[in-house]
Amino acid sequence: AQRVTQPEKLLSVFKGAPVELKCNYSYSGSPELFWYVQYSRQRLQLLLRHISRESIKGFTADLNKGETSFHLKKPFAQEEDSAMYYCALSPEAAGNKLTFGGGTRVLVKP
Amino acid sequence: GAVVSQHPSWVICKSGTSVKIECRSLDFQATTMFWYRQFPKQSLMLMATSNEGSKATYEQGVEKDKFLINHASLTLSTLTVTSAHPEDSSFYICSARDHRTGVINEQFFGPGTRLTVL
Repeated sequence: AQRVTQPEKLLSVFKGAPVELKCNYSYSGSPELFWYVQYSRQRLQLLLRHISRESIKGFTADLNKGETSFHLKKPFAQEEDSAMYYCALSPEAAGNKLTFGGGTRVLVKP
Repeated sequence: GAVVSQHPSWVICKSGTSVKIECRSLDFQATTMFWYRQFPKQSLMLMATSNEGSKATYEQGVEKDKFLINHASLTLSTLTVTSAHPEDSSFYICSARDHRTGVINEQFFGPGTRLTVL
């Protein structure tokens, strides 16, 4: 069975500092990886996925199959980035089921 | 676009009663919807996959007779917690997959329903 691990439960950074959220996964095939974000009092929403290879709100994430990682990075954090971030995996040909990591809360201090 | 609603947003019920939670896709058709539960300070755990016109697929360890899922139309799935007990108290979240051309493998999430069983 697949597994997604986010080792940091809380990341606290100052505004303008870089932030990196770690995500490691275990799955024997070729999964699709996602980052979802949940701002305060809002629903979960997609931030980005590895197949798009795009930058959203300044965030990027690269799939490293050798290290089975999909870390999320932003060079200059902003206060509005404070939120809960979830890494998620969808196994190939599995009806798009998502397995979520435990989540990382990001707090960007002024 | 791609909005998913849930009703009710919160519900309190007595132990032994049944509670129905609705999940609707407001502006798109969703042949597949997903039901998750989230305990406080924990991640989302997939409970089941709801397929329009067919039986739901439950994840291992989820009691299908306790959590009844019905996907009666392309825009509505319901989760009924039968004979609810305090340990069923949780945050239940649904998501729907948008099958429109060019938008694949993306799930849109509802706001969640908080269930408290007394």
